Amino acid sequence: AQSVAQPEDQVNVAEGNPLTVKCTYSVSGNPYLFWYVQYPNRGLQFLLKYITGDNLVKGSYGFEAEFNKSQTSFHLKKPSALVSDSALYFCALSRGRRALTFGSGTRLQVQP
Amino acid sequence: NAGVTQTPKFQVLKTGQSMTLQCAQDMNHEYMSWYRQDPGMGLRLIHYSVGAGITDQGEVPNGYNVSRSTTEDFPLRLLSAAPSQTSVYFCASSSPAIGASATEAFFGQGTRLTVV
Repeated sequence: AQSVAQPEDQVNVAEGNPLTVKCTYSVSGNPYLFWYVQYPNRGLQFLLKYITGDNLVKGSYGFEAEFNKSQTSFHLKKPSALVSDSALYFCALSRGRRALTFGSGTRLQVQP
Repeated sequence: NAGVTQTPKFQVLKTGQSMTLQCAQDMNHEYMSWYRQDPGMGLRLIHYSVGAGITDQGEVPNGYNVSRSTTEDFPLRLLSAAPSQTSVYFCASSSPAIGASATEAFFGQGTRLTVV
């Protein structure tokens, strides 16, 4: 069975500081990993994905994620947080089954 | 392109009532799926389809039916609503099927369902 864990329900960071949202996964074989963002009362929007190749993946709105196979992690990062980055972030995994397995989500709060 | 369109946006049902949540996409995507979102649990897969005429169950299929008669539409039917089905429902589409080439999914804006 495959699973995704987001160990932090909420991450608080000051505007201008770097941010990290953590994600770990469990799957047999090579994973396809995704990050999605959800703004209030909206659907999910795709940020970035890891398929293969470079461990550092760049995505939308200045976000990037680092794939670490030995630690089975795929942490989302941004060098300088904006207040407008405040939202709910989901890590997701696809492998074998024709569907996404989601983590429980992490609420990012960026304070001015 | 409208992307993925879900209707209605909000719905209140009484226990035992039935209803259909509509989902349509105009991107000619083969793969469509339904998820429910509950606090602290992320999104859980209800049913999915890899093409017209083909559907399969996800993690939490009980109490829900789907059909896929066209590429564009993928309605979700609640047979006899229960308070445990109070949730936010999202429809998603992608092409080709996730896992085969790992393209990102496009999500609708959701249907907030309350069962009283």
